[in-house]
Amino acid sequence: DAKTTQPPSMDCAEGRAANLPCNHSTISGNEYVYWYRQIHSQGPQYIIHGLKNNETNEMASLIITEDRKSSTLILPHATLRDTAVYYCIVESSNYKLTFGKGTLLTVNP
Amino acid sequence: GAGVSQSPSNKVTEKGKDVELRCDPISGHTALYWYRQRLGQGLEFLIYFQGNSAPDKSGLPSDRFSAERTGESVSTLTIQRTQQEDSAVYLCASTLETMGGMGSGELFFGEGSRLTVL
Repeated sequence: DAKTTQPPSMDCAEGRAANLPCNHSTISGNEYVYWYRQIHSQGPQYIIHGLKNNETNEMASLIITEDRKSSTLILPHATLRDTAVYYCIVESSNYKLTFGKGTLLTVNP
Repeated sequence: GAGVSQSPSNKVTEKGKDVELRCDPISGHTALYWYRQRLGQGLEFLIYFQGNSAPDKSGLPSDRFSAERTGESVSTLTIQRTQQEDSAVYLCASTLETMGGMGSGELFFGEGSRLTVL
């Protein structure tokens, strides 16, 4: 059974915030939420990860609900170069991360 | 180079031939991973190296697949007697992290080797 559920696709207007949801209702206490993205024909790229607290870095923000059963990745000002497949992964370490099908985010001009 | 380097970037082979795919991780990274990505699919874990040993080979699809790592650096993934279903992009990643640990949480991926078996 998949640990995470993501919508298969989303659209966002350039310059707007992109909010990508992820459900992980069976997450356990020692599991982290990781986000990666994969731009067409490239290897995956790490974005951010968190355990309980919200996190922010130069690429994105990660909002994790208090019960930790869902999270949202926020790209504050999406650009055309942010068009990619975004993977939400739940794992207790970065060993053997399981990548599902992710969400294809298309940023439109 | 500064990143994970994989070669060849593209390989076309005939069914039944053996292929070797190479991965040069980031210098100093102790952990190395191989993943496979079939067209339109997510990534499948194949094998994980910590140093030169492989504590987890559980993702290797069959005994035609093997991998080794030497000098805590370069790794090769070998596929013997290739089949058409082996066609995929094979991705390598490395990190400073040790098994079960967290570190930065970041795996650094190469661009992949695209294998096409005719």
